Amino acid sequence: DAEITQSPRHKITETGRQVTLACHQTWNHNNMFWYRQDLGHGLRLIHYSYGVHDTNKGEVSDGYSVSRSNTEDLPLTLESAASSQTSVYFCASSTGLAGRDTQYFGPGTRLTVL
Amino acid sequence: QKEVEQNSGPLSVPEGAIASLNCTYSDRGSQSFFWYRQYSGKSPELIMSIYSNGDKEDGRFTAQLNKASQYVSLLIRDSQPSDSATYLCAVNLGFGGNTGKLIFGQGTTLQVKP
Repeated sequence: DAEITQSPRHKITETGRQVTLACHQTWNHNNMFWYRQDLGHGLRLIHYSYGVHDTNKGEVSDGYSVSRSNTEDLPLTLESAASSQTSVYFCASSTGLAGRDTQYFGPGTRLTVL
Repeated sequence: QKEVEQNSGPLSVPEGAIASLNCTYSDRGSQSFFWYRQYSGKSPELIMSIYSNGDKEDGRFTAQLNKASQYVSLLIRDSQPSDSATYLCAVNLGFGGNTGKLIFGQGTTLQVKP
């Protein structure tokens, strides 16, 4: 069955380290998204991609980067982890079908920055 | 700024009752509307999508859309304790082309008491 996976599921790191969170989908979806979810803020969009080699900033992109070299993967990199980036991170993907686009979420990665 | 508003709750209903969850949105250009259910510690799961004014029913769930009032709701009939979760309303402008971005409300926590 097609699915969307994230790894690692849990990560503890130290301030200043570079961290990469993986997202892999087997639906052949064009669109992929990264969100963070924090108490009191709901789901906030970090970066998104509408296809290979396309990336765009969301509302909370500072300190994060993504690259899209193939359809299946959109890794999220924290260049220099900060305690403020402790959060739960969700990846999502969608078909990109105009007017009927629907996002499906991965299981999430819980990141703790000490 | 485009916004999606939900009452954070908690909304408490007895088992077997109808739970009514409400959502308003600010952008009149919004085209697609979604309800996600999120259990504690889990990722959002799509339960309903609606694109046209009126009602859409799927089992115990009914989504209602009123674009003139910029209002979307979710009714859960015969509520069960397993329905206890946070329900996220999401809105997609989806106006021409591929605009796959979703704007999420902060979610309403539903508690169904046995």
